[in-house]
Amino acid sequence: GENVEQHPSTLSVQEGDSAVIKCTYSDSASNYFPWYKQELGKRPQLIIDIRSNVGEKKDQRIAVTLNKTAKHFSLHITETQPEDSAVYFCAASWGFQKLVFGTGTRLLVSP
Amino acid sequence: DTGVSQDPRHKITKRGQNVTFRCDPISEHNRLYWYRQTLGQGPEFLTYFQNEAQLEKSRLLSDRFSAERPKGSFSTLEIQRTEQGDSAMYLCASSQENRGDYGYTFGSGTRLTVV
Repeated sequence: GENVEQHPSTLSVQEGDSAVIKCTYSDSASNYFPWYKQELGKRPQLIIDIRSNVGEKKDQRIAVTLNKTAKHFSLHITETQPEDSAVYFCAASWGFQKLVFGTGTRLLVSP
Repeated sequence: DTGVSQDPRHKITKRGQNVTFRCDPISEHNRLYWYRQTLGQGPEFLTYFQNEAQLEKSRLLSDRFSAERPKGSFSTLEIQRTEQGDSAMYLCASSQENRGDYGYTFGSGTRLTVV
C-alpha cells in the first residue's frame, strides 16, 4: 500500500525566514497531494494542494512543488510568521479517495 | 450547513464498554471518511463510504469496529469492548466526487479516552 515519509519531524526558524518540508510517496499512481496545517487540539485544515499534472502551485507565502519522477513533493513557506507555528502534514491519494498522511512536521517560528 | 459536524467532542469510557460516534458531513458531499489520530501522528485511514456503500476498510479496523452510513447521509462509528489502545482522536471527513476543487473537509473530531 501507499506509504508517505515526511521530513523533518521538527523545524525551528526565525520570523521572516523560509521553511521547507519534504515528503516522499511510494505509490506512483498517486495523483493528489494536499498539505494540512493542524494547531493543537484542532482539526487538520487544508492549506494548499497539488495534482499530478502540475509541477508547482503557489498561494501567497505558500508554495508546493511536485517531482513525479522522484516521487517527492515539498511545502515552502516564505516570510514565516509566529502564527505559522503548527504541525504540518503532507498526504497522498489516488483517485481523490482516501488520504495517506505523513508523520507530521512541528514548525516553530520564533519572533 | 457550514462544515462537517462530529458528536460528541469528547468521550471518556471504561475499558470493555461500547461507544458510538456520529458524523454529519457537508450536505452535498457524497463521500465520507473516518480516520484515527493518536498524539504526534498523522491521521490514519479507517474506512470510507460513497453514498451508503462502504467501499474500503483499513486493516486497522478490527472486528470490534463497525461503521454505517444509512441513507447516505450521516455516519456512525461504533467501537465494541473498548481497549486502552483505542484512545485517540477520531476524525471524520467528507468530499464530493467529481468536484473540481475536491472539497475534502475534516470535522473537529471526537476525542476518545478509555480508562
